[in-house]
Amino acid sequence: KAGVTQTPRYLIKTRGQQVTLSCSPISGHRSVSWYQQTPGQGLQFLFEYFSETQRNKGNFPGRFSGRQFSNSRSEMNVSTLELGDSALYLCASKLAGVGADTQYFGPGTRLTVL
Amino acid sequence: DQQVKQNSPSLSVQEGRISILNCDYTNSMFDYFLWYKKYPAEGPTFLISISSIKDKNEDGRFTVFLNKSAKHLSLHIVPSQPGDSAVYFCAASVNTGGFKTIFGAGTRPFVKA
Repeated sequence: KAGVTQTPRYLIKTRGQQVTLSCSPISGHRSVSWYQQTPGQGLQFLFEYFSETQRNKGNFPGRFSGRQFSNSRSEMNVSTLELGDSALYLCASKLAGVGADTQYFGPGTRLTVL
Repeated sequence: DQQVKQNSPSLSVQEGRISILNCDYTNSMFDYFLWYKKYPAEGPTFLISISSIKDKNEDGRFTVFLNKSAKHLSLHIVPSQPGDSAVYFCAASVNTGGFKTIFGAGTRPFVKA
């Protein structure tokens, strides 16, 4: 089975712009979560989608949004980019809708905001 | 609000000896704990997990211990190998109508030959 894929792998934007990141989960996985990783902060939970519905949300401003499509692929959008948004954005998928199943991570998208 | 804390960003260990990575949590509602391993330029990969109803889980060189009364868990790696030099993230899950997983900041053991 193919793993979780994320596109693009690297992105450079300037302040004020917006960006859309894409995640394709493992085939059959219906839950997709997004995380932000910055040095010293670990992985900060952004949100989780299951069956096209946002089920959980972390403590991020409304500039961060996401959606999930009927084929379980997910996109994350960040509007009005700030310098502090520079980070590695990781997507993770898991099989079942409930239960603490193991998450499988993609390689991440490295976003640099200048 | 750091609900999951890994207070040591790094540690040094001799090859062949034991690496002990520690993790503390504050939310008593967490009922599932996991360790992930991450190399640069890759996403984290699952290593080992433990349910809150257990106090120990072992898988090869990796053992996770859970002390619920102290809200503390640890990962033991025995024997340590140079390839173990990666960032290890402790994570805890809570059911909020779907499981929300909170990660610590990570600890990196430097295994010296």
